[in-house]
Amino acid sequence: QVQLQQWGAGLLKPSETLSLTCAVYGGSFSGYHWSWIRQPPGKGLEWIGEIDHKGNTNYNSSLKSRVTISLDTSNNQFSLNVTSVTAADTAVYYCARGVRGGYDFWYFDLWGRGTLVTVSS
Amino acid sequence: IQLTQSPSSLSASVGDRVTITCRASQGISSYLAWYQQKPGKAPKLLIYAASTLQSGVPSRFSGSGSGTDFTLTITSLQPEDFATYYCQQLNSYPRTFGGGTKVEIK
Repeated sequence: QVQLQQWGAGLLKPSETLSLTCAVYGGSFSGYHWSWIRQPPGKGLEWIGEIDHKGNTNYNSSLKSRVTISLDTSNNQFSLNVTSVTAADTAVYYCARGVRGGYDFWYFDLWGRGTLVTVSS
Repeated sequence: IQLTQSPSSLSASVGDRVTITCRASQGISSYLAWYQQKPGKAPKLLIYAASTLQSGVPSRFSGSGSGTDFTLTITSLQPEDFATYYCQQLNSYPRTFGGGTKVEIK
């Protein structure tokens, strides 16, 4: 059974860099798109960006200048870095697997448990 | 592409039929998914391609629509269905989500 396990620092100070990693266990890394999504406390979901198994990326322009998503294919892991964080970056961060179904219909079928990242001085 | 869900919240009883709508700011064909999220948990995929039920999801959930207007229907609400529901468009980047609809117990 495929699982996503994520980890990273949960408490940051303003201006620091957020770093999270998501590992894929029990399944293939290739053929999927790997996304990061965040959810501020009590609010909705925001897609941050994605990477495919070849290293091609797409980012949300709302964060693009501060975000880097990278992959480590040898360990079936992908990572998120967000620089210069502020209190507005406080959120639960999820990793998720994007699947391409028939006729190019994409969907996110597998999610990590989420990591709460709090930015506070 | 902006997604507008309505209502933002609703109260319903077990056994009720519940309908949630999602409107896209421009046409997205059928590139729409629906997710269920319970407090403290990650979202769970219910429906993709607007109307295809994800494996393992009860048949009381159904989706319809194409273009700009979409609907998620729960035909007979069960106690475990009280949650927040989100639509998501996967027609173009950035992938965007609706604001969510919280289904509460009446």
